[in-house]
Amino acid sequence: AQTVTQSQPEMSVQEAETVTLSCTYDTSESDYYLFWYKQPPSRQMILVIRQEAYKQQNATENRFSVNFQKAAKSFSLKISDSQLGDAAMYFCAYRSGLDYGGSQGNLIFGKGTKLSVKP
Amino acid sequence: DTGVSQDPRHKITKRGQNVTFRCDPISEHNRLYWYRQTLGQGPEFLTYFQNEAQLEKSRLLSDRFSAERPKGSFSTLEIQRTEQGDSAMYLCASSIGGSYNSPLHFGNGTRLTVT
Repeated sequence: AQTVTQSQPEMSVQEAETVTLSCTYDTSESDYYLFWYKQPPSRQMILVIRQEAYKQQNATENRFSVNFQKAAKSFSLKISDSQLGDAAMYFCAYRSGLDYGGSQGNLIFGKGTKLSVKP
Repeated sequence: DTGVSQDPRHKITKRGQNVTFRCDPISEHNRLYWYRQTLGQGPEFLTYFQNEAQLEKSRLLSDRFSAERPKGSFSTLEIQRTEQGDSAMYLCASSIGGSYNSPLHFGNGTRLTVT
C-alpha cells in the first residue's frame, strides 16, 4: 500500500522569505501523480501544484515550486516570497496512475504541515 | 462554477442517532468523493461515485455508513447509530473523470460532533 509522510508537523517563515515543506512517499508503482493541497483556516482544500511522476522537470506555479526526486521518493514544496495568505495546513498527496478497480482519482494524503507566516 | 457545496456546515448529535450529510458537486463533474478528516490528520478516503455508480468503498466505511448518488448529481452520506469515534470533518470532492488534468475540488466540509 502506498503511504505519504510529512515529517514536519509545523513550520514557520518570515514574510517575504522562502520556506520548504518536506514530503516523502512509498510506492512500488512507476506511474503516479503527486499533489500539494492547501487548507486555510476556512477549511476548503485548494490544489497548489501537481507533478506527474514520468516528468523529470519540476512543476512550478508562480511562487510555488516542487523538488521532485523520484529515486528518493521525495516531493518537497518550496514557497518563495511568502505572504500572510500562505498561512495554512499543507497536505502532500499521492494518486496512482493505474486505472484499476476504480481507484483512479483516490488521493492518499499525508498528515499535513501547519505553516505560519510571521509579518 | 459555483464550487462544491456541503450541508450542513456543522452537526452536533447524540450518540446513537442517525445523521445525513449532503454534497452538491460542481455541475459538470461526474465523479464525487467522500473523505473523512480527523483532527491533526490528513483526509482519508471513504468512497467515490462515477455518475450514480458507487465504484469503490474504503474499509473505513463500516456497515453503519451508507452513501448514495441517486441521479448522478448530489450525494448523501448517512451514518446510522453514531458513535463518538465518528466525530470528524466529512469532506466531499468532485472531479471530471479520473484524469490527471481534472484535480479534485473540495467543499468546505461538514463537521460532525457526536456527544
